[in-house]
Amino acid sequence: EVQLVESGGGLVQPGGSLRLSCAASGFTFSSRWMSWVRQAPGKGLEWVANINQDVSEKYFVDSVKGRFSISRDNAKNSLYLQMNSLRAEDTAVYYCVKVGLQRGYFDYWGQGTLITVSS
Amino acid sequence: SYELTQPPSVSVSPGQTASITCSGDKLGDKYASWYQQKPGQSPVLVIYQDTKRPSGIPERFSGSNSGNTATLTISGTQAMDEADYYCQAWVSNTVVFGGGTKLTVL
Repeated sequence: EVQLVESGGGLVQPGGSLRLSCAASGFTFSSRWMSWVRQAPGKGLEWVANINQDVSEKYFVDSVKGRFSISRDNAKNSLYLQMNSLRAEDTAVYYCVKVGLQRGYFDYWGQGTLITVSS
Repeated sequence: SYELTQPPSVSVSPGQTASITCSGDKLGDKYASWYQQKPGQSPVLVIYQDTKRPSGIPERFSGSNSGNTATLTISGTQAMDEADYYCQAWVSNTVVFGGGTKLTVL
């Protein structure tokens, strides 16, 4: 059974930093692209970042470029999102998401972790 | 930047067919996927690569994609299908979601 378990969420002040982690199990983590997707309260889904299997490719939505970084540790079956210079508009539930075999779609989602950026 | 447009809401009577559209420039040249999200839950993939259903998704869910429009069709809609639905496309290694459609079954 595929499981994606996020951690690291919480309340942070504007300008602060936070690191999210995602523990993956039930599939060959090292063979799949992985992503982060977020959802602001009462709003729709917004893709945040992608990372390929060997960390040679990383992509970000324009609004987080230069502030967020994505990484993974295939030995630990873990995905990370380092978020710096956080803004109120980054407040959202952040989902760890597994990319489908043929890429192009997300076949499994974690339960999400809430990040609140507020003073 | 690439955009996907969905109607904010669609209503359907139980047992009838619901159609949710997703529009984007030459969307038919890309693969479209669809996700169902119920309140307080994580999204669930219901259609991928335009027409494919993941294991466990009922046959009443189907998809199509041509020209500038992808469509999610729910045949014989049930009360349990009431949810938000999002279309999604992969564009040059980035990802775009539609704004979402609230499906009401009444």
